[in-house]
Amino acid sequence: DGGITQSPKYLFRKEGQNVTLSCEQNLNHDAMYWYRQDPGQGLRLIYYSQIVNDFQKGDIAEGYSVSREKKESFPLTVTSAQKNPTAFYLCASRIRSGGNSDEQFFGPGTRLTVL
Amino acid sequence: DQQVKQNSPSLSVQEGRISILNCDYTNSMFDYFLWYKKYPAEGPTFLISISSIKDKNEDGRFTVFLNKSAKHLSLHIVPSQPGDSAVYFCAAKTDGNFNKFYFGSGTKLNVKP
Repeated sequence: DGGITQSPKYLFRKEGQNVTLSCEQNLNHDAMYWYRQDPGQGLRLIYYSQIVNDFQKGDIAEGYSVSREKKESFPLTVTSAQKNPTAFYLCASRIRSGGNSDEQFFGPGTRLTVL
Repeated sequence: DQQVKQNSPSLSVQEGRISILNCDYTNSMFDYFLWYKKYPAEGPTFLISISSIKDKNEDGRFTVFLNKSAKHLSLHIVPSQPGDSAVYFCAAKTDGNFNKFYFGSGTKLNVKP
């Protein structure tokens, strides 16, 4: 079955620790995205990647880092520099980064809680 | 500054009746609009979309209406079913080589049996 997987589903972190959220897709999609969802707010774009070995900052990239070494994988690291990391994180992919009429496919999300 | 807004955080509707979810946007450069449905502890799934050159798109029980002059779109669900209970996000995207998606804050729909 094709899809996007995110792991773990729930993650707890102590303040000052870095943590990496996994995102894998087997849809052969070029573009991948990381979003953050907070209560009462829409999804906000953290980072995106249009192709392997390329990624760009989104609207709220501070305190986060990513890599795109393989087409299938787009891990997100939440660093200790992120001031308010507790949130629900969603990974998405899309066939390509431009063009019309094709939507993003989302993973199930990871809920990160900083203790 | 939120460019896509859903001003109703929640909506409750009786089974069999119409559900109308609303969305407003501010950027006239948006060329494509989408609705996503999200169940708890799951990622959003695509529901229906509409291009800015159209004013209506229908798919079964779901119809999306676009009013460009008012910068407003709405999702109609007829008839509503209990399984439709979920959070609905509207999203809009810009044209170009990289399509950036802007999401509203979501409306939680509860369809009562």
